[in-house]
Amino acid sequence: DAGITQSPRHKVTETGTPVTLRCHQTENHRYMYWYRQDPGHGLRLIHYSYGVKDTDKGEVSDGYSVSRSKTEDFLLTLESATSSQTSVYFCAIRASTGSSYEQYFGPGTRLTVT
Amino acid sequence: AQKVTQAQTEISVVEKEDVTLDCVYETRDTTYYLFWYKQPPSGELVFLIRRNSFDEQNEISGRYSWNFQKSTSSFNFTITASQVVDSAVYFCALSEKAAGNKLTFGGGTRVLVKP
Repeated sequence: DAGITQSPRHKVTETGTPVTLRCHQTENHRYMYWYRQDPGHGLRLIHYSYGVKDTDKGEVSDGYSVSRSKTEDFLLTLESATSSQTSVYFCAIRASTGSSYEQYFGPGTRLTVT
Repeated sequence: AQKVTQAQTEISVVEKEDVTLDCVYETRDTTYYLFWYKQPPSGELVFLIRRNSFDEQNEISGRYSWNFQKSTSSFNFTITASQVVDSAVYFCALSEKAAGNKLTFGGGTRVLVKP
């Protein structure tokens, strides 16, 4: 257990509404990531953060923004949700293991945009 | 750009059979890491193993074993004597040290173990 929680765990929203997903970690990890999981695509990186206020885009960042004002929280915002953003969203942290790194994932948030 | 391919989309076996999952990767980085994750029907992602590019020693952990071959850019995973609880989707992933250790995932292989 890497101490990662995500909220909400499930959400149904309407097209055009803003949505914010929260990832919270308790172990002071510097790197945090947001991925989305869709059938046939595995997981794809949306945005990641390498420190407070330090973020960068991933493979599928269009339509998403992120913020990290505290080490423990990484927020993912859909400014105006679209049906194509219906997905399962996973947050992850990067943990150091000697000279290597491993990523551990939160439980996921299932988002449905109607 | 890095890429991971899991050619098998679904494998069905009978309990106690062995099952091998294939993973082929592409990277230009000389330092990279390979991972396997398990996603059971409950949906969480469970870390199974990490392998570094500079360590080709294969590993066995209980009923799991991994075969890493740089020459063929493959990182295959075998479950020996499969059990119903092994039914899950298994993902292979790659991260490059030069790319912030962002993970690139394969499409996943669904394993169904029948009693």
